[in-house]
Amino acid sequence: GAGVSQSPSNKVTEKGKDVELRCDPISGHTALYWYRQSLGQGLEFLIYFQGNSAPDKSGLPSDRFSAERTGGSVSTLTIQRTQQEDSAVYLCASSFRVSEQFFGPGTRLTVL
Amino acid sequence: QKEVEQDPGPLSVPEGAIVSLNCTYSNSAFQYFMWYRQYSRKGPELLMYTYSSGNKEDGRFTAQVDKSSKYISLFIRDSQPSDSATYLCAMSGVTGGGNKLTFGTGTQLKVEL
Repeated sequence: GAGVSQSPSNKVTEKGKDVELRCDPISGHTALYWYRQSLGQGLEFLIYFQGNSAPDKSGLPSDRFSAERTGGSVSTLTIQRTQQEDSAVYLCASSFRVSEQFFGPGTRLTVL
Repeated sequence: QKEVEQDPGPLSVPEGAIVSLNCTYSNSAFQYFMWYRQYSRKGPELLMYTYSSGNKEDGRFTAQVDKSSKYISLFIRDSQPSDSATYLCAMSGVTGGGNKLTFGTGTQLKVEL
């Protein structure tokens, strides 16, 4: 596709349930990033994948958060045992050149 | 203190005005500076990308970086109602390969008819 796509666009879940969020990066982009955007916190880095290198997980807020990237393309962000404070917009970005990151539309997660 | 500071606004200007948006930062390792525009309930859209100090112009948009002052600016000339959005500055300090962006909190801009 022409841009980064994410699914679902909206997700409502109950506290304690697990959720999976998907990101399809721009074709040919070797780097993929996940960010979280919440009121009062702005945009925060979560995790970064570059090619076959080990991911940079330094932004993950707890061990309930994990992500994988299969075949150097699609990525899935998993949140286990969701909490209300996990409610936010989860944004995926991809890049080919240093720091020119292109964002998807985001997944709006609401934890009841 | 946050690494990147940005006035949240809201900033309201009449159509045709010149808009100045600014960010300050504290991390001297930042080398790459970006401005994103974000419409309500949409993902951020990359507007301008600058490496190190200097100016860059693209149409009605001009980005300036002053590393000595740790200060970056985005100027919008002849502002239009369609420019109404939140503007986010972002920066990173990577020297090779990709890296995480550190964002300002965003400035909400409204251009009125």
